[in-house]
Amino acid sequence: AQSVTQLGSHVSVSEGALVLLRCNYSSSVPPYLFWYVQYPNQGLQLLLKYTTGATLVKGINGFEAEFKKSETSFHLTKPSAHMSDAAEYFCAVSEGDGNKLVFGAGTILRVKS
Amino acid sequence: DTGVSQDPRHKITKRGQNVTFRCDPISEHNRLYWYRQTLGQGPEFLTYFQNEAQLEKSRLLSDRFSAERPKGSFSTLEIQRTEQGDSAMYLCASSPGGGNSPLHFGNGTRLTVT
Repeated sequence: AQSVTQLGSHVSVSEGALVLLRCNYSSSVPPYLFWYVQYPNQGLQLLLKYTTGATLVKGINGFEAEFKKSETSFHLTKPSAHMSDAAEYFCAVSEGDGNKLVFGAGTILRVKS
Repeated sequence: DTGVSQDPRHKITKRGQNVTFRCDPISEHNRLYWYRQTLGQGPEFLTYFQNEAQLEKSRLLSDRFSAERPKGSFSTLEIQRTEQGDSAMYLCASSPGGGNSPLHFGNGTRLTVT
């Protein structure tokens, strides 16, 4: 079964600094990978997805992620953090015929002014 | 596209009572998923439907839980004889199907069992 590990349950950055949220996956087949963001008391919003093709994927709000098969990683980055980026971020891998998603435990991003 | 709608947003119930949640997916989506999320954890898969057929259930879905999607449109999730451990956010998601289709999530129903 697929699984996802997110390193660091909390990440704190200064406004304007680089954001790096780490995600490693295990999958027996070529994976479909996703990043979602969740604001308090809300559902999950898709940031970006990797299916096939280009390994550098651009998403909404200036985020991007790079699929590295050799490292089984799909880290999320943003060059310059904004206060509005403060939220919880989840990495997920698609599993099975039903395309259900297996999520990591999440990383809470704090942005300091 | 009005998004995935869940009702109610919050539910407080006493231990032993039954509760039912409703999810209305995006209208053209034939797949519907239920997830449970507890504090500090990522969402955990419970079950999913392809149209009206329930195709997979997690072992997390005990006998007290039942989900239906009678006409392949909205879905309900019922928890019987609630326990304090059932307190969580219950998330519904839908997708048009296909391995690379992302799931579109509703805002969830937060259940508190006292």
